[in-house]
Amino acid sequence: SAVISQKPSRDICQRGTSLTIQCQVDSQVTMMFWYRQQPGQSLTLIATANQGSEATYESGFVIDKFPISRPNLTFSTLTVSNMSPEDSSIYLCSSLQGNTEAFFGQGTRLTVV
Amino acid sequence: TQLLEQSPQFLSIQEGENLTMYCNSSRVFSSLQWYRQEPGEGPVLLVTVVTGGEVKKLKRLTFQFGDASKDSSLHITAAQPGDTGLYLCAGEGGSGNTGKLIFGQGTTLQVKP
Repeated sequence: SAVISQKPSRDICQRGTSLTIQCQVDSQVTMMFWYRQQPGQSLTLIATANQGSEATYESGFVIDKFPISRPNLTFSTLTVSNMSPEDSSIYLCSSLQGNTEAFFGQGTRLTVV
Repeated sequence: TQLLEQSPQFLSIQEGENLTMYCNSSRVFSSLQWYRQEPGEGPVLLVTVVTGGEVKKLKRLTFQFGDASKDSSLHITAAQPGDTGLYLCAGEGGSGNTGKLIFGQGTTLQVKP
């Protein structure tokens, strides 16, 4: 099965700064997804990123706060902009095998101080 | 309101015991998936159940899809410390084949040696 390499695995950032998270897939995929997860809790979808088009954001998430790039079929980035402590979370990228079976990167644990 | 309700939220058992966790919804799903997530890692797919009433076995894990395709259960026989983790159920979150998944809030399982 395909593998996603996500980096950084963790970071501690100052409030007001931005962090860009990268995900590299070892094969071409059509859709990539970005999720947020509070430790030990569920995943919430931030946006869907398709190559060649703007990302589609879920309710409560906006492009200015979470700009996403999808320059090709194997790579995507998520930027968390103008961070505040409330943005401290785990961020995960994923894609699909078949129509619905997701595989994930290892996650980025972000702490904003 | 959580579309997929998982219970119990937390389970702490001794090695060798059996356990069952549940994933319930008022909505019909074309399929449900179970993932296990270990600390510092992304979720890993365990199984997809597709047909109402279906039972799938993965070594000591038995997955059942409810007859009405609204709920699922995961039974673990003779739990081992390696089973420790966060168990998440997920289903298709959009209308049609969007690839978007919605997740339950998870069951955290701790198996003590």
